Amino acid sequence: EIVLTQSPATLSLSPGERATLSCRASQSIGSYLAWYQQKPGQAPRLLFYDASNRASDIPARFSGSGSGTDFTLTISSLEPEDFAFYYCQQRDKWPLTFGGGTRVEIK
Amino acid sequence: EVQLVESGGGLVQPGGSLRLSCAASGFTFSNYWMHWVRQAPDKGLVWVSRIKSDGTIISYADSVKGRFTVSRDNAKNTVILQMNSLRAEDTAMYYCARESRSDSKNYFGGSAGYWGQGTLVTVSS
Repeated sequence: EIVLTQSPATLSLSPGERATLSCRASQSIGSYLAWYQQKPGQAPRLLFYDASNRASDIPARFSGSGSGTDFTLTISSLEPEDFAFYYCQQRDKWPLTFGGGTRVEIK
Repeated sequence: EVQLVESGGGLVQPGGSLRLSCAASGFTFSNYWMHWVRQAPDKGLVWVSRIKSDGTIISYADSVKGRFTVSRDNAKNTVILQMNSLRAEDTAMYYCARESRSDSKNYFGGSAGYWGQGTLVTVSS
């Protein structure tokens, strides 16, 4: 099973600041990585698939990058609605696996 | 508008069964992989099962293999998760999700582009 390790576990930032979230895979997964945002009491929302392909209606302040084992989700300038949990997920091999998540909280 | 509506969750005793249903609308259901993902209270996400657009490929997480069965009815735009021999550790919100892009040759899916609101399964005596 491919293990995804997200860091940091918690990111404390202020609105307007830049957020950089990391996801590392236990083996190479090419570009087969997705990012999701989840707010309390809501279903996850797809942000990016295949590392850098932005999903529908995702604002341009979000960007995804990386390949192989190291991936990054960047939020260039945090808006109030961006404070949430973020999960990475690989689709290279079954079982599909998620990282443990990064909580982006208001400082 | 893509809509996924789960139903069938509830409280069940250990060893019992539940049948979750996901009604899809707003897209050509028969063109997409469908998935079930669960989330235990205050925990992370776990992929439970996937089923190809035509039902010919099905996969399960090891934790549910032999106990859960996924199926789909492309005429009724519905995907079903039959859960038997339920355990306390199966307690979770269960989400139905649609693949982000339509199926094609040599595509094995795995990006959940649309999600339902979830249905809560509680296994407890």
